[in-house]
Amino acid sequence: EAQVTQNPRYLITVTGKKLTVTCSQNMNHEYMSWYRQDPGLGLRQIYYSMNVEVTDKGDVPEGYKVSRKEKRNFPLILESPSPNQTSLYFCASQTGGSYEQYFGPGTRLTVT
Amino acid sequence: QKEVEQDPGPLSVPEGAIVSLNCTYSNSAFQYFMWYRQYSRKGPELLMYTYSSGNKEDGRFTAQVDKSSKYISLFIRDSQPSDSATYLCAMNRAGKSTFGDGTTLTVKP
Repeated sequence: EAQVTQNPRYLITVTGKKLTVTCSQNMNHEYMSWYRQDPGLGLRQIYYSMNVEVTDKGDVPEGYKVSRKEKRNFPLILESPSPNQTSLYFCASQTGGSYEQYFGPGTRLTVT
Repeated sequence: QKEVEQDPGPLSVPEGAIVSLNCTYSNSAFQYFMWYRQYSRKGPELLMYTYSSGNKEDGRFTAQVDKSSKYISLFIRDSQPSDSATYLCAMNRAGKSTFGDGTTLTVKP
């Protein structure tokens, strides 16, 4: 089954404690993205990757890091989480230049 | 100013009603116009897309694009309780999508 998986699905952590949210896709897609979704602000792109070792900032990259060492994986790293990073996070993938994105199930992060 | 503005909602309609969801955009470079549906506790999934002005129909759903007015709409006919979800419009340019904030629709039996 074609899918994007994220782990963990739910995470509660404290300010400053480094965390990683994993994302994996099995569709051999070149493009992968991370979004955060907040009430009244919609889906905002954090980082995206056009292929292995190629990443770029989206609209709200501050406080986040990413890496793309393998085509299927695109982890999101919060090195020092803060309460304003409490949000619902989605990973997505698509074929290069395509319009359609496939989204993961989401990770709900709470930073206290 | 946001590149994509979506009517905020929420909308609550009785079963069988016709629903209209709307977005405006400011960037004339957008090439694809899409509607995603997002059920509670799930990721968005593509519902419909179009790339030209006019209407595109798929069952009970019709996507309408007016490029001259920079306006897109999604119509749902004979709405069902299973249509209850958040609907996100999205515009795509060279593989990058910009999303509206979403409109939450509830269809009551």
